[in-house]
Amino acid sequence: DVKVTQSSRYLVKRTGEKVFLECVQDMDHENMFWYRQDPGLGLRLIYFSYDVKMKEKGDIPEGYSVSREKKERFSLILESASTNQTSMYLCASHTGDRVEGTEAFFGQGTRLTVV
Amino acid sequence: QKEVEQNSGPLSVPEGAIASLNCTYSDRGSQSFFWYRQYSGKSPELIMFIYSNGDKEDGRFTAQLNKASQYVSLLIRDSQPSDSATYLCAVGGGALDTGRRALTFGSGTRLQVQP
Repeated sequence: DVKVTQSSRYLVKRTGEKVFLECVQDMDHENMFWYRQDPGLGLRLIYFSYDVKMKEKGDIPEGYSVSREKKERFSLILESASTNQTSMYLCASHTGDRVEGTEAFFGQGTRLTVV
Repeated sequence: QKEVEQNSGPLSVPEGAIASLNCTYSDRGSQSFFWYRQYSGKSPELIMFIYSNGDKEDGRFTAQLNKASQYVSLLIRDSQPSDSATYLCAVGGGALDTGRRALTFGSGTRLQVQP
């Protein structure tokens, strides 16, 4: 059974804190993604990675960084949390580098509140 | 910039009816198409994917793809109150993808099935 696990379901952090969101998948997928989801805006891609130590910016990378030291783990880092980063964060992974196999599987989501 | 458009709804149907959800996309070269279901407060779960023009059926769900019209739809037959959720259309691949392999999501259509 496909499994993508995010480390926290709910987080409350203070403005200016450094925040780490962890994601682990057990399906040996090469591709991992971080999205944020906000009402009316849908899912927006923050960063993604095709391989260990590799990262690419998505559509809204400002204020975020990522780390992929191992194939199964992809971390999202908020360098200095701000209130406009309050959101639902979703990690996803898939195995495909062609059309087939690009169906993405999601973790349970982390609802982050920055106060 | 890739765009995926969905009517936000809510789409309200009576129990037992057919629910029809629609999605259009801007990148004519897109190659992979997905429907996700998202219950309130939960992460998206994959319902169906389709790669070729035509219909694809899975139980009560049918996905329809028309690449010439850049249109994807999801039909839910015999709708149940448990089908009440937000349905996200996602698109992958295409000329603008430049190897990103990431999916572009619509903002979702909220479906309400009335008992």
